[in-house]
Amino acid sequence: EVQLVESGGGLVQPGRSLKLSCAASGFTFSNYYMAWVRQAPKKGLEWVATISTSGSRTYYPDSVKGRFTISRDNAKSSLYLQMNSLKSEDTATYYCARGSSVDYWGQGVMVTVSS
Amino acid sequence: EIVLTQSPTTMAASPGEKVTLTCRASSSVSYMHWYQQKSGASPKLWIYDTSNRASGVPNCFSGSGSGTDFTLTINPVQADDIATYYCQQSRESPWTFGGGTKLELK
Repeated sequence: EVQLVESGGGLVQPGRSLKLSCAASGFTFSNYYMAWVRQAPKKGLEWVATISTSGSRTYYPDSVKGRFTISRDNAKSSLYLQMNSLKSEDTATYYCARGSSVDYWGQGVMVTVSS
Repeated sequence: EIVLTQSPTTMAASPGEKVTLTCRASSSVSYMHWYQQKSGASPKLWIYDTSNRASGVPNCFSGSGSGTDFTLTINPVQADDIATYYCQQSRESPWTFGGGTKLELK
């Protein structure tokens, strides 16, 4: 059974950093592009970051470029999102997602940026 | 960035009706994916590559379209279909979502 389990969320002050993790199981992790998608409270979905199978290519929207870094450890079947210089508008549920048409989603982890 | 515009934003339908949700892209895309999200839950892949139903999706759902215009049709609507539906493109990075169509029961 495919599982994606996020961790690392919480309350953080503006300007600070936070690192999210996603533990993957039930499939060959190294074969898939992976991504992070977020959803602000009562809002729609926003693609945050994508990483290629080897980790050599990463993609970000302008809203997080230069502040967020996606990475992966294929040996550990794990995906990460390093978030720096956090802003209040980064407050959202963050989902770990598999593939370009996301066939599996994690349960999501809440990140709240507030003083 | 390819902007996806979904319409309507909210739609009310009665069980048994046929409904059509629309997604328009700011530039031509090869295909479109659709997701269903119910309140408090993670999204689920519903339609991929424009017209392919994901595993377990009932055949009352169908997707079509090309270029910049895509549709998700539900025929007939059932009470269990009440959710928000999002379109998404992966042709060009950054991958983007539409703003969603919330389907309500009339």
